Amino acid sequence: SQQGEEDPQALSIQEGENATMNCSYKTSINNLQWYRQNSGRGLVHLILIRSNEREKHSGRLRVTLDTSKKSSSLLITASRAADTASYFCATIAGGTSYGKLTFGQGTILTVHP
Amino acid sequence: GAGVSQSPSNKVTEKGKDVELRCDPISGHTALYWYRQSLGQGLEFLIYFQGNSAPDKSGLPSDRFSAERTGGSVSTLTIQRTQQEDSAVYLCASSVSPNTGELFFGEGSRLTVL
Repeated sequence: SQQGEEDPQALSIQEGENATMNCSYKTSINNLQWYRQNSGRGLVHLILIRSNEREKHSGRLRVTLDTSKKSSSLLITASRAADTASYFCATIAGGTSYGKLTFGQGTILTVHP
Repeated sequence: GAGVSQSPSNKVTEKGKDVELRCDPISGHTALYWYRQSLGQGLEFLIYFQGNSAPDKSGLPSDRFSAERTGGSVSTLTIQRTQQEDSAVYLCASSVSPNTGELFFGEGSRLTVL
């Protein structure tokens, strides 16, 4: 079964609006990562947040992590049509000695110009 | 090359045939992963290689699936006696080391089993 589960499954917004996607996971983690996938392409790494961090920023991206609730959120501010893609969270389980990433089902984001 | 390279990009085969999918990771990356993505779904972990350690094969769905990594670089995923449910995009990724976390993905090999 998938470790991470994203919601919503699909999100449709207008250009300029903010987009928030959530991810929940089941077991303790070392870190949590967010990836983007454009249609028909491979995944691109966006941001990594470690289990001892609560918030991280990268450009228009803001990621939060609440280990007590086993959840994370990805906020994209001032969205653009080019942000249209699927977004996945991925986790490395705590205690593992290697970097096996387990992915969620993803959120499909559509940004209308 | 500059990125992870996968071939073929598309493969159509008949049920029962064997297929081989190739992955050429980023030079110097010690960790290599194979994932499978069915239409509109998330990524399903298949297998993981790290240096000379024994691979983690825990995600391989059946004994028809196997993978090897020669010389710590190029990897081949082999599916024997393909079935229609094997149809998916097979994604390869590599990372500098297993603990850095960030994976670099190839564009995938789309497999269609008729």
